Amino acid sequence: RKEVEQDPGPFNVPEGATVAFNCTYSNSASQSFFWYRQDCRKEPKLLMSVYSSGNEDGRFTAQLNRASQYISLLIRDSKLSDSATYLCVVTARGGSYIPTFGRGTSLIVHP
Amino acid sequence: GAVVSQHPSWVICKSGTSVKIECRSLDFQATTMFWYRQFPKQSLMLMATSNEGSKATYEQGVEKDKFLINHASLTLSTLTVTSAHPEDSSFYICSARDGRGVDTEAFFGQGTRLTVV
Repeated sequence: RKEVEQDPGPFNVPEGATVAFNCTYSNSASQSFFWYRQDCRKEPKLLMSVYSSGNEDGRFTAQLNRASQYISLLIRDSKLSDSATYLCVVTARGGSYIPTFGRGTSLIVHP
Repeated sequence: GAVVSQHPSWVICKSGTSVKIECRSLDFQATTMFWYRQFPKQSLMLMATSNEGSKATYEQGVEKDKFLINHASLTLSTLTVTSAHPEDSSFYICSARDGRGVDTEAFFGQGTRLTVV
């Protein structure tokens, strides 16, 4: 089983739709959780951190479920500019707290 | 926010030559740097982790003699692909974080697209 798993998609949604991604992780000692966004041929950029209490930033809401070992990202009112690959990143205890990436979920928002 | 500068952004080289990629943290001390490789439509795969002043830790399957990593200072790490072959063509990205914290963001360089012909 991979350490961090995501549905690769693509998720093809119309503008204005609400879309949700899940990401599961296998290491119960995981400490920190993030969602990154990666545009084609570009480096990943932090979208938001994921806290135990959940957090919201505008149209984006992230949730963490430690018991079931998954995190989620909800995007409301999708925009064309939201089209990208969304990477789930988990950092585990020990060593250098190495960020481990999921494969990414591709989102395509169409007019 | 913090900036990580990676250079060059793209390089084309002949098979058998060596290529050096630099990764610099511009406004923070990167106690830990990570090197990733990403093949088309694949996830970012960790190649190695380097801590300033010590030898890099390589992931299983990554040849340490082929991918030389040097992290001599708190702001600079280099990855040298020695005797490059076409199968080494990939997108290489460095990431840096201030390793003193647990819940700290990892900042990424712009990436280097290596094409070996």
